[in-house]
Amino acid sequence: QKEVEQNSGPLSVPEGAIASLNCTYSDRGSQSFFWYRQYSGKSPELIMFIYSNGDKEDGRFTAQLNKASQYVSLLIRDSQPSDSATYLCAVTIYNFNKFYFGSGTKLNVKP
Amino acid sequence: EPEVTQTPSHQVTQMGQEVILRCVPISNHLYFYWYRQILGQKVEFLVSFYNNEISEKSEIFDDQFSVERPDGSNFTLKIRSTKLEDSAMYFCASLPGQGYGYTFGSGTRLTVV
Repeated sequence: QKEVEQNSGPLSVPEGAIASLNCTYSDRGSQSFFWYRQYSGKSPELIMFIYSNGDKEDGRFTAQLNKASQYVSLLIRDSQPSDSATYLCAVTIYNFNKFYFGSGTKLNVKP
Repeated sequence: EPEVTQTPSHQVTQMGQEVILRCVPISNHLYFYWYRQILGQKVEFLVSFYNNEISEKSEIFDDQFSVERPDGSNFTLKIRSTKLEDSAMYFCASLPGQGYGYTFGSGTRLTVV
């Protein structure tokens, strides 16, 4: 069973703070890791992806990957109320043909 | 920015009826997918489609389901004899190649009554 686990939250942070979202995965063959944002009733939007161990930064977002510990995280700096959404972690295993999604972490950014 | 377009946005159907969900992927994309999300649950893979044939399908994608790319632009998901448990958001996605993140369509909310 290929599991992608996320804390469902909600994670509440004040505006301007750093939000830290975590994801663990069970299959060591996982190759690529994606973070999506999903507003209620809407489709997932790609935020960023990471393939290699370490950090990858894109604007206010930083993805961190640790393959040895089988976790990937997303940091959101200077959180804004508009960042309030559910954040989905997704992984691909062995090929890019199928993504396995976590159940998502709900983030609330309070003004 | 190019979009994946899905129609209809909401479909209500009676149990046992057939529905066709339509998608227009981004024009230069090569890989096409259907996912579904039952309310409050994970996004689940249904099927992938490449080079005019199914490349992979999940255990959910049984004989009740079929996909087609009838005219080189549209990508359809047909659900025969719908059941109550087919009620979900259905998302189409496409990729220009492997190694990218999906661009999802806006989704079709299917309600089976």
